[in-house]
Amino acid sequence: AQSVTQLDSQVPVFEEAPVELRCNYSSSVSVYLFWYVQYPNQGLQLLLKYLSGSTLVKGINGFEAEFNKSQTSFHLRKPSVHISDTAEYFCAVSNQAGTALIFGKGTTLSVSS
Amino acid sequence: DADVTQTPRNRITKTGKRIMLECSQTKGHDRMYWYRQDPGLGLRLIYYSFDVKDINKGEISDGYSVSRQAQAKFSLSLESAIPNQTALYFCATSDPGTGGNQPQHFGDGTRLSIL
Repeated sequence: AQSVTQLDSQVPVFEEAPVELRCNYSSSVSVYLFWYVQYPNQGLQLLLKYLSGSTLVKGINGFEAEFNKSQTSFHLRKPSVHISDTAEYFCAVSNQAGTALIFGKGTTLSVSS
Repeated sequence: DADVTQTPRNRITKTGKRIMLECSQTKGHDRMYWYRQDPGLGLRLIYYSFDVKDINKGEISDGYSVSRQAQAKFSLSLESAIPNQTALYFCATSDPGTGGNQPQHFGDGTRLSIL
């Protein structure tokens, strides 16, 4: 069965610093991978997705992620963060049957000045 | 207006009460989902529905039931609420796509507290 591990529960960074949020997945079949962001008191919003093709995926708000099949990872990166990027970030993988998403436990990104 | 609307946004109730959370969508998606979010646990799937006549249990369906009244409406019920069902509940929708390649679109959530 598929599973998702987000390696850091909290990531504190200073404004304009680069950030990487790490996500590993386990699956015996080809998968589709997603990153979502949750701002306070809001629902989840899609940041980016990997379906196939180029392993470097660009999303909204300057985020990008790299799919690495050999390391079963899908890490999220941003070269320079803003205060407004403070939020919780979730990595998700489609389940084997393609019927639902399996979410990681989330990483809280805290950006301070 | 939001594409996926959840009502109520907040609810406080007592143990043993019956609670219904409602979700409606204007995206025209066939698939709808209910999740619960607990701090440090991420989102866990309660139920999902691929059309009006299709209802499926998710990872944590015990203590919950659902009704798909129309393509656009999917409600979640707690028949007899208990304190450990206190959580943030999300409804989501998606197109069918192929093998799960379609992203899900989320409502803003219902914060449910059971005393």
